[in-house]
Amino acid sequence: AQSVAQPEDQVNVAEGNPLTVKCTYSVSGNPYLFWYVQYPNRGLQFLLKYITGDNLVKGSYGFEAEFNKSQTSFHLKKPSALVSDSALYFCAVREGGSYIPTFGRGTSLIVHP
Amino acid sequence: EAQVTQNPRYLITVTGKKLTVTCSQNMNHEYMSWYRQDPGLGLRQIYYSMNVEVTDKGDVPEGYKVSRKEKRNFPLILESPSPNQTSLYFCARPQLADVRETQYFGPGTRLLVL
Repeated sequence: AQSVAQPEDQVNVAEGNPLTVKCTYSVSGNPYLFWYVQYPNRGLQFLLKYITGDNLVKGSYGFEAEFNKSQTSFHLKKPSALVSDSALYFCAVREGGSYIPTFGRGTSLIVHP
Repeated sequence: EAQVTQNPRYLITVTGKKLTVTCSQNMNHEYMSWYRQDPGLGLRQIYYSMNVEVTDKGDVPEGYKVSRKEKRNFPLILESPSPNQTSLYFCARPQLADVRETQYFGPGTRLLVL
């Protein structure tokens, strides 16, 4: 069975500082990992994905994520946060044979000016 | 431009009054799905469809029905809504033709059941 955990309900960071939003997963076999962002009163937008290959994945809006197989983690990162990055972030995982991705509970990122 | 549209965007109804939330896509994708979003629970899949007349249950199908008579449309039906179905609903389809690819979500339908 596949599962994903986002251990932080909320992450606070000052503008200009680096940010990390944590995600850990559990799957049978190889994972397909995704990050999505949801701005207030909007649908979810795709940020980046890991299917195979490089452990550091670059995505939209300057975000990147680091895949760590030994720690079963896929943390979202950005070197310098912007106030406009404030949003709800979802991690999702899918096993190779599954058509149904499992989403985390979401982490609210708040970037303070 | 590839789009997923949902209607209505906002709906207030009363317990037991049947309702339908429509979803349509303009890319002729075979795969479509419905999610609900609740605080602290993230997104949970309700139903998905692999093709016309092919539907299957997701993680939380109780109290919902779907229909897939044509590729373009995938309506979500609540035969007898209850207050615990108050939620934010999203229709989704794959970003690309491959169902394993990232999901493209509609704008959402916020439902309140009194």
